[in-house]
Amino acid sequence: SQTIHQWPATLVQPVGSPLSLECTVEGTSNPNLYWYRQAAGRGLQLLFYSVGIGQISSEVPQNLSASRPQDRQFILSSKKLLLSDSGFYLCAWSVLLRADFYEQYFGPGTRLTVT
Amino acid sequence: DAKTTQPNSMESNEEEPVHLPCNHSTISGTDYIHWYRQLPSQGPEYVIHGLTSNVNNRMASLAIAEDRKSSTLILHRATLRDAAVYYCILKGDYGGSQGNLIFGKGTKLSVKP
Repeated sequence: SQTIHQWPATLVQPVGSPLSLECTVEGTSNPNLYWYRQAAGRGLQLLFYSVGIGQISSEVPQNLSASRPQDRQFILSSKKLLLSDSGFYLCAWSVLLRADFYEQYFGPGTRLTVT
Repeated sequence: DAKTTQPNSMESNEEEPVHLPCNHSTISGTDYIHWYRQLPSQGPEYVIHGLTSNVNNRMASLAIAEDRKSSTLILHRATLRDAAVYYCILKGDYGGSQGNLIFGKGTKLSVKP
């Protein structure tokens, strides 16, 4: 069966510090991978998605970046965190199950607080 | 992807049916209707999806209006564990490779014992 891991679970970082969040997927090959962010009391915002190694698409311009160094590894980074980067970061993966359907599976999330 | 409109919040009593509405008046002929839910402090999880016909699975039922401009997610017997934010999402263009989902604000369902 497939599983998705994210770490760390919680993180408190000062403004201006760097960030690296990691997501790995087990039990599937060549998945689509996604990073979402959910600010307090708000909906999910798609940040990045990737359809293959080294292929990253950005949905929202900001001080975050993403990389996919291996098929089942997705990394979210920042060189300098802002207060507005606080939120719940979710990694997800999907595969095309049938011609009509992608189902997305979400990880447990990382709760980031920038102080 | 077309836009959906959902009530911000709804309340239900435990063991009673719950009907969660979603309006999508600008839906295109190829848009599938998806429902996901997000329990507190967790990532969203898939609930159900459909195109034109009503759908049933172990979690819920999806009733789709004949003109497809609205749909209703039906939880037949709400439990306390069903308290979550429910998202109605339209997704078309599965010929593409992205599989992106665009989440709105959803409906926050509260279940009273």
